[in-house]
Amino acid sequence: GIQVEQSPPDLILQEGANSTLRCNFSDSVNNLQWFHQNPWGQLINLFYIPSGTKQNGRLSATTVATERYSLLYISSSQTTDSGVYFCAVVSYYGQNFVFGPGTRLSVLP
Amino acid sequence: EAGVAQSPRYKIIEKRQSVAFWCNPISGHATLYWYQQILGQGPKLLIQFQNNGVVDDSQLPKDRFSAERLKGVDSTLKIQPAKLEDSAVYLCASSLVGTGERFYGYTFGSGTRLTVV
Repeated sequence: GIQVEQSPPDLILQEGANSTLRCNFSDSVNNLQWFHQNPWGQLINLFYIPSGTKQNGRLSATTVATERYSLLYISSSQTTDSGVYFCAVVSYYGQNFVFGPGTRLSVLP
Repeated sequence: EAGVAQSPRYKIIEKRQSVAFWCNPISGHATLYWYQQILGQGPKLLIQFQNNGVVDDSQLPKDRFSAERLKGVDSTLKIQPAKLEDSAVYLCASSLVGTGERFYGYTFGSGTRLTVV
């Protein structure tokens, strides 16, 4: 099945700093989404982005489908950005999400 | 709009005991999913329902796990007997449609944290 890798596994930032999270996947996809899991365990959908670029406030995401990777940018980070960021993909031959291992982000005040 | 409701929030049981989790999806969502999230890992799909029929249960350990979705609305996931390695968060999610292209309105519940001792 499709493999999903994320880097870095852990990231510690000072409040106000910028960061880039990466997701690599091993096969063509027709769905890619970024999720944020807050410290209380709630998973929130951030972006649906199988290709192209999208922005939502301080967050933006870019997926280069031909090169099988996606990037999530967080600018001017805040303590509320802390948590785990997951990339989840659906391959052309699958019908359900496969999640990556996540990037754990800690934003310090 | 009410979210995906799950209960209980936490559960501690001894190994070999049985346990059940409940999920009520967002009203009108035809597709319901159960995920297992082991500490430090991403969620892994256990089973997908479309209305009250099973679409995908390929990763469900059927010797001990079972799930049902009667009347196509709420769902229960059961483990019997539980093992130590079943300690995890069990997440329920629902969506309007479940296809390879897009999961409209895909929403997760807060999960049930199971500890098997």
